[in-house]
Amino acid sequence: EPEVTQTPSHQVTQMGQEVILRCVPISNHLYFYWYRQILGQKVEFLVSFYNNEISEKSEIFDDQFSVERPDGSNFTLKIRSTKLEDSAMYFCASALAVYNEQFFGPGTRLTVL
Amino acid sequence: KNEVEQSPQNLTAQEGEFITINCSYSVGISALHWLQQHPGGGIVSLFMLSSGKKKHGRLIATINIQEKHSSLHITASHPRDSAVYICAVRYNTGNQFYFGTGTSLTVIP
Repeated sequence: EPEVTQTPSHQVTQMGQEVILRCVPISNHLYFYWYRQILGQKVEFLVSFYNNEISEKSEIFDDQFSVERPDGSNFTLKIRSTKLEDSAMYFCASALAVYNEQFFGPGTRLTVL
Repeated sequence: KNEVEQSPQNLTAQEGEFITINCSYSVGISALHWLQQHPGGGIVSLFMLSSGKKKHGRLIATINIQEKHSSLHITASHPRDSAVYICAVRYNTGNQFYFGTGTSLTVIP
């Protein structure tokens, strides 16, 4: 059964460093999403991406964040200068269409020291 | 606008019991997603619905659009059902999902 994959599973970085979180969505899906979950809190929407551009983003997704689909299979989330409060689990999801069920990846746990 | 309320927050049940988890929201939605989050953190989609009822195995999800309420039922619960169950809604005015805080379910053998 096709699934969304994410790498790495755990990333540790120093404050101020750039990180790139990678996702491989399900191959025929067209809509891609990033979510984050701070430990002990609810899942929060970051950004949605369709047709090579951002279709919607939340207040959390500020200038420090960017997304890219560089090669037609990977979908990446970059945080330019990490802060302590960026420590969270980051989930990628994909869907065939905007009104279809979203399928989630296993998550990347980001720890900023 | 984007409050999604779930109840109960925590639930402990004996194996075999019928379980109900509730989700309510404040304004009109285009879709509601029920998700399961395992202790390791991974999220699995259970149902996405916009009206009526869906069933998959021992899981049943219902939604009442007029009352702005959805329920997730688990029949004949089993210890492997122990997880956090999350409700997420997409409002009519946008495409992003807003998530509830989850219901932590523990099923005791």
